[in-house]
Order: sequence, then structure tokens, then C-alpha cells
Amino acid sequence: QSVVTQPPSVSGAPGQRVTISCTGSSSNIGAVYGAHWFQQVPGTAPKLLIYDNSNRPSGVPDRFSGSKSGTSASLAITGLQAEDEADYYCQSYDVSLSSWVFGGGTKLTVL
Amino acid sequence: EVQLVESGGGLVQSGGSLRLSCTASGFTFGDSEMNWVRQAPGKGLEWVSYISSSGTTIFYADSVKGRFTISRDNAKNSLWLQMNSLRAEDTAVYYCATKTTGTSYFHYWGQGTLVTVSS
Repeated sequence: QSVVTQPPSVSGAPGQRVTISCTGSSSNIGAVYGAHWFQQVPGTAPKLLIYDNSNRPSGVPDRFSGSKSGTSASLAITGLQAEDEADYYCQSYDVSLSSWVFGGGTKLTVL
Repeated sequence: EVQLVESGGGLVQSGGSLRLSCTASGFTFGDSEMNWVRQAPGKGLEWVSYISSSGTTIFYADSVKGRFTISRDNAKNSLWLQMNSLRAEDTAVYYCATKTTGTSYFHYWGQGTLVTVSS
């Protein structure tokens, strides 16, 4: 049972906008370390998508954006494409557990 | 280009040992904090262990504390994870991942190596 929770699945049609939520607490997302997001295409390694709540590493399309409010974070994907079909994980650092923590992951299906 | 290549995975019996390796290139390994993160088949990601750039600070997840040992050799651009007293629940793909000092996220990841513990 992760201390950071995500919906198991979301779906959307090509071109649509989807959001994935990540709910934590004042010990993790609500603390100074914030939230980060990873994309994992089945059979491959996770890839950093968003760091420090809303920043994109070089090479990540601006269709991907992140935000944080209080103890929750969100990942938004606009202009959905078939290649976006993957598992998405949020991650933070929990100061109470002294541990890096991941959400359970959200499977995005492009209809 | 940053590259992290894990090796050493395989099939081992419950109670056995295995040593994973991660060889780095394309960046200054000695400046980077390193981690091991695992993923059980069909499951999510789980942080396993952290080592500072100098190797002097080490942390473990409670699930592996006392059984796993992380180490590094900056001269060889190498990271290791010694896994003892393995259990069926340790079956997973093990990834090494970098973390920049002052940040809390895992930036670059290797392709992973599969460890299977048979009971």
C-alpha cells in the first residue's frame, strides 16, 4: 500500500486531453520535495517526464505538463497520441519514512 | 550520452545470493548519487537503496535492510548491489538510476536486469 495514490487507469481518444492525479500527504508531495512523473512503455525502463512538479527535461514534448496543489499533483497530457499509451508513475520523497516513494502507477489507454 | 548498463541478474533459489552490477558512462559518475529501484512482474516501482556520490551515505528500504548491500567504485564507474538471503518477493527487474545532489528524483535509468528467486 503506497503512501502516494494514483488511479489505476485512465483513457482518452487521440487528440483529447487527459489528466492523472497523484494524492499524497504533508510528508511527501506536500513537503519541499514535491512530485515527479515517469513514463514507462511496457518492456522498457521508466523515463523521467516531469520533475519538481512542473518542469520538463530536455526532449519531453510540451504536450506533457505537471502541477501541484497542496498535497496532490497532476500530470496532464494534451493532444493525446497512440505513442502515449504507457504506464505513468508519480514519485516523491517521504520525510516521515525517510524513503523515496512511488505511486502505484496509472495505465493510460489511447482509445 | 548517459548510459547505465545493469548485469548479474538470473535465477537463484530462495535463501541464495546474487550480485548485481551497473556500469555507467557518458557522465561524471563520481559526481552522481546512485540508486537501485525494482519492479516486480506486473507491479509498480519500488525504491530499494541509495548511495551518495562519495559512498559515505547509504540508505535502504525496510524490505531489504540487513540483506542487501549497495556499494560503488568511482574509479571503475561501477555500482553494485549484493543481495543475500533472497526471498520469492525479491523477484523483480532491478534498475540502477542516477540522482543529482539536491534533487529528489531519479533522472537516468538503466535497462534493468531480471532477478528471479525460486521457492
